[in-house]
Amino acid sequence: KQEVTQIPAALSVPEGENLVLNCSFTDSAIYNLQWFRQDPGKGLTSLLLIQSSQREQTSGRLNASLDKSSGRSTLYIAASQPGDSATYLCALGSYNQGGKLIFGQGTELSVKP
Amino acid sequence: DGGITQSPKYLFRKEGQNVTLSCEQNLNHDAMYWYRQDPGQGLRLIYYSQIVNDFQKGDIAEGYSVSREKKESFPLTVTSAQKNPTAFYLCASSTRGRGTNEKLFFGSGTQLSVL
Repeated sequence: KQEVTQIPAALSVPEGENLVLNCSFTDSAIYNLQWFRQDPGKGLTSLLLIQSSQREQTSGRLNASLDKSSGRSTLYIAASQPGDSATYLCALGSYNQGGKLIFGQGTELSVKP
Repeated sequence: DGGITQSPKYLFRKEGQNVTLSCEQNLNHDAMYWYRQDPGQGLRLIYYSQIVNDFQKGDIAEGYSVSREKKESFPLTVTSAQKNPTAFYLCASSTRGRGTNEKLFFGSGTQLSVL
């Protein structure tokens, strides 16, 4: 069964710092991997989607990578800002789960001014 | 504006009561989903529907029911059989829901609590 783990559960950094959020998974038979942002009490917003044939995707200050062989994805945030404070979740579309998305528990990021 | 609308934002359930959460989308998406989110946990799939008049159980369907009579609407009923209903409920949609390279779009959620 596919398992998705995000470590750490919480992270606090000063404004301007570059940071990396981690997502690991146990089954490499995946369709894709998505990174989402969730603000408190709100729904999720899709940030980046990496197809299984791709190694990375970029959007503005965000860069997501995918390494299926090691079962890892990272979300890199450059020059962090207080507005980046939110919970970040990764989710995998897994062949062995009928294509359904399997979510990690999320990393709660706090960027201090 | 195109998007997904969930209502109400907050809902309270009494013992033995069924309650229904509304989800409407105007994105013309075929697939719709219901997820449950508990504090400190990832999202868990309750039910999903890839086409009108058809839906499938997710990982935690017990105590819940859904209908998909219209493409735009996918209401979720939390029945009295669900003994631990307090959670944040999220509705989502995608273009086809075939497990391919589609982004998922989410509503703003409904917080359900037990009185």
